[in-house]
Amino acid sequence: AQKVTQAQTEISVVEKEDVTLDCVYETRDTTYYLFWYKQPPSGELVFLIRRNSFDEQNEISGRYSWNFQKSTSSFNFTITASQVVDSAVYFCALAHAGNMLTFGGGTRLMVKP
Amino acid sequence: GAGVSQSPRYKVTKRGQDVALRCDPISGHVSLYWYRQALGQGPEFLTYFNYEAQQDKSGLPNDRFSAERPEGSISTLTIQRTEQRDSAMYRCASSLVRGGASGVVRQETQYFGPGTRLLVL
Repeated sequence: AQKVTQAQTEISVVEKEDVTLDCVYETRDTTYYLFWYKQPPSGELVFLIRRNSFDEQNEISGRYSWNFQKSTSSFNFTITASQVVDSAVYFCALAHAGNMLTFGGGTRLMVKP
Repeated sequence: GAGVSQSPRYKVTKRGQDVALRCDPISGHVSLYWYRQALGQGPEFLTYFNYEAQQDKSGLPNDRFSAERPEGSISTLTIQRTEQRDSAMYRCASSLVRGGASGVVRQETQYFGPGTRLLVL
């Protein structure tokens, strides 16, 4: 069975602080995919990133970066110099090829001015 | 191009009524997924289609829930005899499915629609 755990249910930071959202996953598959989605207050689910299990290279996109560690089954997400617009619920998700996503419970990030 | 669309965006119904939720995927997307998201939780898988074929319905909670995608494009999720516990956000997603040289299917990104918020009174 697949499982995704986001232990931090809520994080509050002050603008310009760096913040890391943790994601730990469980799967028996050797080929799998990891995702992060953002759910802003407006409610939609916005895709942020997809990584496959064979690619452990970390990725940076502007203020966002992702750290994939297969040895610890983690796929953490860091926002550098956070902004108020980053306030949202962030979901980590896991899938194997061609199939459904298993989501974590989400982390609510509040960035205060 | 246009994203995934869902209708209605909000639905209030009385217990015992049937409801039909519609999803229009991104043009050309082969796979279509339905999820349900309770307040304060992550989305949970319900069912999915490749073209018109329902591939997996293991997430449907009971036989009051059904889904179809008769022409491989628009899909309808139907809930019969609604109950208060059915109240949730119902999300649809679509993705390309690409077969590799060995026939192995690659996971493609699922893009989500805005959701239908269902309230059963």
